[in-house]
Formats: sequence, structure tokens, C-alpha cells
Amino acid sequence: EDQVTQSPEALRLQEGESSSLNCSYTVSGLRGLFWYRQDPGKGPEFLFTLYSAGEEKEKERLKATLTKKESFLHITAPKPEDSATYLCAAPGRGADGLTFGKGTHLIIQP
Amino acid sequence: DVKVTQSSRYLVKRTGEKVFLECVQDMDHENMFWYRQDPGLGLRLIYFSYDVKMKEKGDIPEGYSVSREKKERFSLILESASTNQTSMYLCASSLRRGGEKLFFGSGTQLSVL
Repeated sequence: EDQVTQSPEALRLQEGESSSLNCSYTVSGLRGLFWYRQDPGKGPEFLFTLYSAGEEKEKERLKATLTKKESFLHITAPKPEDSATYLCAAPGRGADGLTFGKGTHLIIQP
Repeated sequence: DVKVTQSSRYLVKRTGEKVFLECVQDMDHENMFWYRQDPGLGLRLIYFSYDVKMKEKGDIPEGYSVSREKKERFSLILESASTNQTSMYLCASSLRRGGEKLFFGSGTQLSVL
């Protein structure tokens, strides 16, 4: 069964304290690994798509990387406005839709 | 920018009521999706549609149906609402088939009492 697993479930950091979020997947024939940000009471907002091992993408303080078995979302010198739930997802067995992990709830304290 | 609009931000319904959740996208996307999101369970796919009048079951279709009469509009129907259908419902769209990135609406928080 295709699975996407994220860790940790929750992470509390001080402002400026860099860290990484993990996403491991067991999807055969990976056709993309997606990262989203979700703020409370809102829908997920797209951040990145990674397609091949070794690929990296950056946006402001976020950098996503991909290996053959997992993806990392690195956050460098975070600010309180980076607080959110970060979701990763991959296309499932069928041709459509994404299978999501349960997310990492990130809190950045001033 | 793609805009996916869900008609209601909050809804409160009674057990047994028929409930309609509406979603409209403005970018001519082929695919539309309905997910529900629950604490500890994450996002789970209910139904999706890849064309007008076409629909496919997702992972948790029981108790739900959908309608897509026009390309831009996708409706989720709870035939007889139950308390275990209290959840955040998220509509999404993607340009084409094949596991492309999804664009989400803001969600409808449904409470069934």
C-alpha cells in the first residue's frame, strides 16, 4: 500500500533555530513528491514539487530535498510567520489525486 | 492565479439532513477533488472527477456522493448527514490527470449535530 509518513508530528523551535522535517514514502514508481503549507482554518498552499533523487528546490527560508526513500524540508533561521502545518504528498496508486502524510505542526517562538 | 472557491466557510446541520457542499474553480482544470481532513487522520480522498459527469471513488466514499454537471463546478452531497461526518471538507483541482499538483479551496467546516 502506498504510504507517506511524516516526522516529527510537532516541532517547536526558537526564532532563528534551523531544523528539518522528514517525509518518507513507499510509493512505487514515484511521480513527484509535493510539499504544502497549511495555516489554521485554511486550505493547503503549494510549496514545491520534486521529481528525482538529488533534486533540491528553495523558497525563502525553506529548502526541499529528495532521496530515493525520503524528502526533507529544511527551514533555515525560521521566523514566527513560518509557523504552520507542513504536509507532504505523493501521487497514489491511481492516476489521480495525492496521498498525504499527516503533517508536521511547526511552531516558531519569538 | 488559480482560484478554488467553496461556497460556505462554516455549516451546521442536523443528523439526517441532506447536505450540499459546492466548489467552483476558475482555471478550466480537468480534475476536481473532495478531501476531508480530521485531526490525527490527515487528508483523505472522498471522490474525484476527471471530466463532466465522470466520477471516481476515493479512499472513503461511503456516505457521500458527488455531482459534476459543469466543468468548473463539483458538488459533494451527504445524503443523510451523520455526526461522524463532522469534519473540514476541502475541495481541490488540478490541470490534468496524472498526479499533478493540487490547488485547494479554503475549506468548509461542517458540524453535524
